[in-house]
Amino acid sequence: EPEVTQTPSHQVTQMGQEVILRCVPISNHLYFYWYRQILGQKVEFLVSFYNNEISEKSEIFDDQFSVERPDGSNFTLKIRSTKLEDSAMYFCASSEDFGGLAGSNNEQFFGPGTRLTVL
Amino acid sequence: DAKTTQPNSMESNEEEPVHLPCNHSTISGTDYIHWYRQLPSQGPEYVIHGLTSNVNNRMASLAIAEDRKSSTLILHRATLRDAAVYYCILQAGNQFYFGTGTSLTVIP
Repeated sequence: EPEVTQTPSHQVTQMGQEVILRCVPISNHLYFYWYRQILGQKVEFLVSFYNNEISEKSEIFDDQFSVERPDGSNFTLKIRSTKLEDSAMYFCASSEDFGGLAGSNNEQFFGPGTRLTVL
Repeated sequence: DAKTTQPNSMESNEEEPVHLPCNHSTISGTDYIHWYRQLPSQGPEYVIHGLTSNVNNRMASLAIAEDRKSSTLILHRATLRDAAVYYCILQAGNQFYFGTGTSLTVIP
C-alpha cells in the first residue's frame, strides 16, 4: 500500500540554524500539505501546495518558512532561522484532490512525522 | 478563535456505539467537515468527511445537523483499536482547521 514517507524522523538543531524537512508524497497525488503539532496540542495547518505553488497558508507560515517541490518526488519544508517555539512534530500529507468538486477524493494521507527539537 | 469545539475526552464500552460530537457554529456554506483520528506516535488517519448530507463508510458514519452548525461522528461498534484522539476539522478552501480533539477510551 502506498504511503507518505518523511525524513529524518528526528532532527535536533540549534536556535538560529536552518532546517529542511523532507517528505515523499504518494506518487499520483497532486496536493501536498505541511502541518505541525506542538507536544500535547492539536494539529495545526501550515500550508497547502498544488501545481508548484502555495495554495493556502496559515498565519503560522511566516517568512521564516518556505516549501518546495525540487523534483518529481520530494516535497520539502524549510525553516530559515529556527526558534525555540518551532520545536514540534511536523507532518506532511498528500491527497489526490482537494474536495472542491462533488465526488472528488480529498482524503489526506499523513506521513509518520519529523520531530524537530530546537535547542 | 476555535472553528470547531469538541469534548476533551469520552469513554465507551467495547462493542457499543460511540457518538462523538463537534460544534462548528461559524461554518461557511462551502466548508467541508472532516474527521481524522490519531493514534499515539502516528500521523492522523482519515475517517470520513461530508458537506451537507449524512455519510457512511466502512469505518464510521457522519451525521450533519440540518443547519450544519454541528456534526456527530458515529462508530457503530467500538473496538479496542478505535482508542485514539478524534479530530473534527473544517476545510475552508484548501486550508484545514483542526479542533482540539476528543480522546476516546474504549473499555474492554
